[in-house]
Amino acid sequence: DAKTTQPTSMDCAEGRAANLPCNHSTISGNEYVYWYRQIHSQGPQYIIHGLKNNETNEMASLIITEDRKSSTLILPHATLRDTAVYYCIVRLTNFGNEKLTFGTGTRLTIIP
Amino acid sequence: GAVVSQHPSWVICKSGTSVKIECRSLDFQATTMFWYRQFPKQSLMLMATSNEGSKATYEQGVEKDKFLINHASLTLSTLTVTSAHPEDSSFYICSASAPGTVNTEAFFGQGTRLTVV
Repeated sequence: DAKTTQPTSMDCAEGRAANLPCNHSTISGNEYVYWYRQIHSQGPQYIIHGLKNNETNEMASLIITEDRKSSTLILPHATLRDTAVYYCIVRLTNFGNEKLTFGTGTRLTIIP
Repeated sequence: GAVVSQHPSWVICKSGTSVKIECRSLDFQATTMFWYRQFPKQSLMLMATSNEGSKATYEQGVEKDKFLINHASLTLSTLTVTSAHPEDSSFYICSASAPGTVNTEAFFGQGTRLTVV
């Protein structure tokens, strides 16, 4: 699976949009981009995933560049409960029964 | 959505004893489950892949005789830390996915914090 690069930490004001970048310049054509987050002392939580089109769900939006070498996770109106470590993961298949390789992630802190 | 449950949420044990952690898929059958370990301020590291009805597959550097994995049913995998030592203190997390489905995500348990004293 391709490697991802994320900033170590970010701050965002409560109520503002949080934009979390991820570089995956070695991604191959059939690899998906997944985002998970981990709130302190809990298991990771799935947020969103995509292949090449932008995606949106009730939690977030995922913007993937046309060359697919980077993506941005957008939390439209950040709340204090969004403080967590966010992991961007690239995986080869879209079947669920595949292991995930976690990088260091981005520690997002929402500031009141 | 699908739920994966771990038990216990936390456990304290004496050095030299064994500890069993359970991972259950509550509303789906999981032929494959994964066990991760996370040390403080570090990312999740995959320990092993648990396969229902067959032997687990361990990642390099993980001792299979120390971390025993049993996946006896489609809804339960167990991780037993044998002869635990303080350096085994960590946050253990399992995950599972509904098998054979496309466009799905992995679901994680809430984690088990093991402290060996």
